[in-house]
Amino acid sequence: KQEVTQIPAALSVPEGENLVLNCSFTDSAIYNLQWFRQDPGKGLTSLLLIQSSQREQTSGRLNASLDKSSGRSTLYIAASQPGDSATYLCAVRPGSGGSNYKLTFGKGTLLTVNP
Amino acid sequence: DAGVTQSPTHLIKTRGQQVTLRCSPKSGHDTVSWYQQALGQGPQFIFQYYEEEERQRGNFPDRFSGHQFPNYSSELNVNALLLGDSALYLCASSLFGGSYEQYFGPGTRLTVT
Repeated sequence: KQEVTQIPAALSVPEGENLVLNCSFTDSAIYNLQWFRQDPGKGLTSLLLIQSSQREQTSGRLNASLDKSSGRSTLYIAASQPGDSATYLCAVRPGSGGSNYKLTFGKGTLLTVNP
Repeated sequence: DAGVTQSPTHLIKTRGQQVTLRCSPKSGHDTVSWYQQALGQGPQFIFQYYEEEERQRGNFPDRFSGHQFPNYSSELNVNALLLGDSALYLCASSLFGGSYEQYFGPGTRLTVT
């Protein structure tokens, strides 16, 4: 059974700092990994999708890496801003792929960026 | 281009009642999945629909059922509501059969009293 763990559970940083969020998963046979952002009481916004064959993906100030063999992914946020404050979730899709859409989520990291 | 939409936004029900939640997928998407997110937890997969059939199911009892319509929209039905069913219910859509990312709606907040 796939299990996803995110460390730390909460993180508070001053504005402008670079930071790293961690995600680990127990079964390395994944199809892809997705990072999401969730504002309080709201739905999920997809940030980055990394296919199992990729090592990293970048979008603006965000960079996500994937080490499938070790079961780890990191989300790097450069020059953090107060607007980045939210919960960040990672989710993995099983290696059976194509028709299997079940995402397994971690519990998330609550990020607070202080002005 | 409309994203994933869900209705209603909030809902309050009493134990034992039944509830129906609705989801319209992102334009061009044909696959819908439902998730339950309890407070402070990550979303848990309920089931997935494609071509009007339930294709996959998570570890949820039969009280949870669904439907997909020819226009790809979907409903989630929960019977005999329990206090523990209180959660944010999220709908996600995607294209079937590929490595496509899933897009989530804003969710329906269900409170069972």
